[in-house]
Amino acid sequence: EVQLVDSGGGLVQPGGSLRLSCAASGFSVSNNYMGWVRQTPGKGLEWVSVMYSGGDTYYAESVKGRFTISRDNSKNTVYLEMNSLRPEDTGVYYCARQQWLVMLGPNGFDYWGQGTLVTVSS
Amino acid sequence: DIDMTQSPSSLSASVGDRVSITCRASQGISDSLAWYQHKPGKAPKLLVYDASRLETGVPSRFSGSGSGTDYTLTISSLQPEDFATYYCQHYFSPPYTFGQGTKVEIK
Repeated sequence: EVQLVDSGGGLVQPGGSLRLSCAASGFSVSNNYMGWVRQTPGKGLEWVSVMYSGGDTYYAESVKGRFTISRDNSKNTVYLEMNSLRPEDTGVYYCARQQWLVMLGPNGFDYWGQGTLVTVSS
Repeated sequence: DIDMTQSPSSLSASVGDRVSITCRASQGISDSLAWYQHKPGKAPKLLVYDASRLETGVPSRFSGSGSGTDYTLTISSLQPEDFATYYCQHYFSPPYTFGQGTKVEIK
């Protein structure tokens, strides 16, 4: 059974750092496109980052230079390292797998973690 | 970057109503579009991918259509469990932006 478990959220002061983890089971993160999506208070969903199976990484402009996505294949876990945090980074962060179908290639995010809450406040 | 403009931002409808939500991309995205349902306290759920392909297990009352820059999610007969917020998202090239969301409320 495919499952994603998000963890690592918490309360942090502006300018601080946090590392989120996404433990996967039922599939290999190294063979899949893995991403992070957040929902900020009063706003909708915001795409944050993606890591392709080949290792290429991409970021939303709002987090570029501050956030880093990575993975540990031995632990089958994806991470989001968040530095220089701002109050506007507050929200629920979801890890998600981008579906890949034969003959169709990558498409939507088909499996999601339960989300982990990040609060940036003094 | 590709911007996604979704409308309406909210709508009120009754059980049994036909509901349509639209999404416009700022440039052509070659049908690289997904629709999600999001309920409070839960993870988003993939409904449609490649603009019109229904994800496995999603009821057939949901359908997606469109091409180029304009896409539509239609719920043919709204059910009580369908009251939620719906989002479009493109995956043509990173960043994979979402639309602003459409909250479907009970009339």
